[in-house]
Amino acid sequence: GNSVTQMEGPVTLSEEAFLTINCTYTATGYPSLFWYVQYPGEGLQLLLKATKADDKGSNKGFEATYRKETTSFHLEKGSVQVSDSAVYFCALSSWPSYGNNRLAFGKGNQVVVIP
Amino acid sequence: NAGVTQTPKFQVLKTGQSMTLQCAQDMNHEYMSWYRQDPGMGLRLIHYSVGAGITDQGEVPNGYNVSRSTTEDFPLRLLSAAPSQTSVYFCASSSPWGGATEAFFGQGTRLTVV
Repeated sequence: GNSVTQMEGPVTLSEEAFLTINCTYTATGYPSLFWYVQYPGEGLQLLLKATKADDKGSNKGFEATYRKETTSFHLEKGSVQVSDSAVYFCALSSWPSYGNNRLAFGKGNQVVVIP
Repeated sequence: NAGVTQTPKFQVLKTGQSMTLQCAQDMNHEYMSWYRQDPGMGLRLIHYSVGAGITDQGEVPNGYNVSRSTTEDFPLRLLSAAPSQTSVYFCASSSPWGGATEAFFGQGTRLTVV
């Protein structure tokens, strides 16, 4: 079945530091990959996506590249801001046939950026 | 654009009470789903629907019922609330035919069962 694994634990870093959150996946069919962000007290919002191998998704300074050979979709940002403090979820969607369109989520990583 | 609308935003129930969490979307998406979010557990799928009249169970369906009589609405029913159902609930919708099929989420319902 489909599954997503994110690195364990919260991430605390200083403003302007480099952020990496690791994500690996297991999937059947042809998965699309996503990163969602959840700000405090809000629902999940799509941050970026990639639909095929070697695609790079990018948004708001965040990037992630779909690596089929390593089954990974790591999230990176070169210089984080306090406003990037949130929970980040990696997810995949894989449907070899209609009716199997289910998102599989990782457990999420709390990111705290200190001024 | 309303997107996905969930009501209520907050609710406190006593053990054994019943209630319905409402979810409506105005994007004509075929696929709708309910998740619960608990600390350290991420998002877990409760039930989902691939179209009006069609529903199926997710990972944690026990204690919850759903129905899908229209494309727009997908209510989640708790028939007899238990403290273990204290959680934040999210409704999401997507379209299998829309390319990357990203899900659109509601703002969530924070439920406390005492």
